[in-house]
Amino acid sequence: DTAVSQTPKYLVTQMGNDKSIKCEQNLGHDTMYWYKQDSKKFLKIMFSYNNKELIINETVPNRFSPKSPDKAHLNLHINSLELGDSAVYFCASSLWGSINYGYTFGSGTRLTVV
Amino acid sequence: EDQVTQSPEALRLQEGESSSLNCSYTVSGLRGLFWYRQDPGKGPEFLFTLYSAGEEKEKERLKATLTKKESFLHITAPKPEDSATYLCAGQGGSEKLVFGKGTKLTVNP
Repeated sequence: DTAVSQTPKYLVTQMGNDKSIKCEQNLGHDTMYWYKQDSKKFLKIMFSYNNKELIINETVPNRFSPKSPDKAHLNLHINSLELGDSAVYFCASSLWGSINYGYTFGSGTRLTVV
Repeated sequence: EDQVTQSPEALRLQEGESSSLNCSYTVSGLRGLFWYRQDPGKGPEFLFTLYSAGEEKEKERLKATLTKKESFLHITAPKPEDSATYLCAGQGGSEKLVFGKGTKLTVNP
């Protein structure tokens, strides 16, 4: 069983389109995250939800909108895609307040905007 | 602002040649210093959490250590399967996990 699963794994789309990435975790964690990894492999946090409540919202264009229907799911919707949005997006989860095991990451969604 | 810096960016070793990766950090109210391993096309995989200066943790050929300003990942007698990018991250009072840019390790047979 995959602990943190993201879909799709690859996404190729044209500039201006709107797309969504979905994430689900079956670890019983209560906190989920979106990270962006750019072409230089630098991982940077975008958003975090704890029990469906947005707790971290970094300086990200408002074209990016996260949604958490329940604590096991966190989706990322991106409007009006731009070339600079091309990156690998990682979903992660953890137990709030417990850092013993760090975050558990999904395998990533490679987004290519053409 | 919390910051994590890793060096070197890339490291090539021969099989069996031990070395260390460096992670320097400025994280306000450090709660934990993390090491992850990332293989190409995959998400980061958790290795260690260090909580306070002087702490050490080991896993197979890897040993992580922590001082008040730095962490080191020592690799003893590495094998080709240890080739990966190693990421260091700090978590402080803001609850955010802030990553360094990683060290890409290549171990040649």
